[in-house]
Amino acid sequence: DVKVTQSSRYLVKRTGEKVFLECVQDMDHENMFWYRQDPGLGLRLIYFSYDVKMKEKGDIPEGYSVSREKKERFSLILESASTNQTSMYLCASSYPASGEIYGYTFGSGTRLTVV
Amino acid sequence: GNSVTQMEGPVTLSEEAFLTINCTYTATGYPSLFWYVQYPGEGLQLLLKATKADDKGSNKGFEATYRKETTSFHLEKGSVQVSDSAVYFCALYKRGGGNKLTFGTGTQLKVEL
Repeated sequence: DVKVTQSSRYLVKRTGEKVFLECVQDMDHENMFWYRQDPGLGLRLIYFSYDVKMKEKGDIPEGYSVSREKKERFSLILESASTNQTSMYLCASSYPASGEIYGYTFGSGTRLTVV
Repeated sequence: GNSVTQMEGPVTLSEEAFLTINCTYTATGYPSLFWYVQYPGEGLQLLLKATKADDKGSNKGFEATYRKETTSFHLEKGSVQVSDSAVYFCALYKRGGGNKLTFGTGTQLKVEL
């Protein structure tokens, strides 16, 4: 069964900490995505990547960065965590050409609380 | 730009009731349309999809028809169960629009006995 695995289901971090959220997929997908999910706002795209070492800003990149050193791994970095970054974070992946046919495969999410 | 509008929730139904969750979209051309479901504490799972006008996607008793004339993709189920309680997201994929999914805000469904 194909998978997108997010390393933590729940995280609690302090304001100002540097936070790493990890995502690994085993489907050899070129495309990977990070979303955050908030009540009433749905899913908002933070960053995405079409290939190793490539990244593009999504709709809400401020306060975040990403790293993609290997095809299967896409990391989201909160440089200095703030309370307004408390949220559910979802990672997803797809093949470039199959996104319009099959959509994305999502991980189970990481619920991050910044205190 | 591309956008998806879903009906506000929560939607509360009794078991075996008929479900409709409205979804309309704004996009040029012919996007692909999707419904995802998110059960409590989990990520999103693809529920059904339609890639061209008049296609009907179906899965697990849910169905939705791609209506180009009304730019809609409403989700329906004839008889809901308690286990259908979840958040449902409508999404569109438009090639050339950054090649990425655009989501609606989600609609929470609660089904009671």
